[in-house]
Formats: sequence, structure tokens, C-alpha cells
Amino acid sequence: GEDVEQSLFLSVREGDSSVINCTYTDSSSTYLYWYKQEPGAGLQLLTYIFSNMDMKQDQRLTVLLNKKDKHLSLRIADTQTGDSAIYFCAESIGGFKTIFGAGTRLFVKA
Amino acid sequence: GAVVSQHPSRVICKSGTSVKIECRSLDFQATTMFWYRQFPKQSLMLMATSNEGSKATYEQGVEKDKFLINHASLTLSTLTVTSAHPEDSSFYICSAGGLPTNTGELFFGEGSRLTVL
Repeated sequence: GEDVEQSLFLSVREGDSSVINCTYTDSSSTYLYWYKQEPGAGLQLLTYIFSNMDMKQDQRLTVLLNKKDKHLSLRIADTQTGDSAIYFCAESIGGFKTIFGAGTRLFVKA
Repeated sequence: GAVVSQHPSRVICKSGTSVKIECRSLDFQATTMFWYRQFPKQSLMLMATSNEGSKATYEQGVEKDKFLINHASLTLSTLTVTSAHPEDSSFYICSAGGLPTNTGELFFGEGSRLTVL
């Protein structure tokens, strides 16, 4: 069945880069996403990548997709304390049906 | 981006009462809405998928008589927790998908924290 896995915690120092990794199983995914959830709030789409792309860069965010290994990563450059949140990797499996990973809790130490 | 509003953001109720949570898409037509439950420090658990005008599809293990979902219009879906018990206390989040996005992006409500005493 469809599954998305990601590590649960990541701790970095302010100013360093953060890399959050994710693996997925459904090779037919059209889009893969990174959502951010701040405490007590809903999720917000950070960025997405189309499945025929290898990389997408958006300001401090870089998404890398290795379709052969079904591996997705999110790199946040110059991580700030305001980046502390839970980051969810997700894949679209058709229509609006989306499978979410368990979320990676990013702690940024000042 | 599109806006999804969820109401109420917090609700406290007595055991045995029913609670209704609303999810509205404010500036687009949400053909599909999803309801999730999130326990503290845990991921989203998909409860059900609702398409406008049809019955919701519930995930395995979710009691449809306990969690009533109505998606009567393209801008509103409601989740009613019937005869709530303390174990129903949780953070409930809705999301909506619809045109004009063609990327499958979901727009999330702010979440509703339910506390059952």
C-alpha cells in the first residue's frame, strides 16, 4: 500500500542548514509536497515538486527528488528559530487524495 | 492562496453532548474535503473523505455513526462528534481540494481543539 516515511526529529543550530528526508512508496505519484505545521495550527503548503523534476529551489528552500530511490528531501538554508515546526512530507496519489508522513519535528537552537 | 476557515477553533463540552465543527472554503469551490484527527505530537490521521453531494468515505476504524460528516455544498463541510466522550478529545483538522489548483494541493483549516470533560 501507499506509505510515506520520515524521521521524527531534527535539531539544528540557528544559521545552519536543515535537511529533512522522506521516502515514499507509490511510484505513480504526480506531485510530492512539503507542508509546515506550527503549534496549534493547521498545515500550510511550503513547496511542491512535480514528479518529473529532480530539483526545485525557492528562496531558502531546496527540494531534491530521487525518483529511482523514491526519496525526497527538503533543505532549509540559514535556518531560523521561526522555522521551528513540524514538516510533513506528502504524496498525491490521485485526485486530491494525499498520503502524509508522520512529520519531522524541527528544533532550531539559538 | 485559497483560504479554508474552520470553526470553532476551541470547544469544550460535557460528556454525552454532540459537537459540530464547520469547515468552509472561503474563495474557491472545494469539490473534496478531508477530515483528520491529530493526537499530541503525532501525525494526521485521516478520518474520512467527503465529496460534495455524496456520502463521506470513512477510513477503516472510524465510526461513521460517531463522526457524522456532511458536505452539502461546495463551500461547507461539517463534522459532528456525537455523544462525545473524553477519549474523543483531540485536534481536528479539515482540508479542501478543488479548482483552480491543478497540483493536488490541499488547503487546510486552522484546526479545532475539542476537549470533552
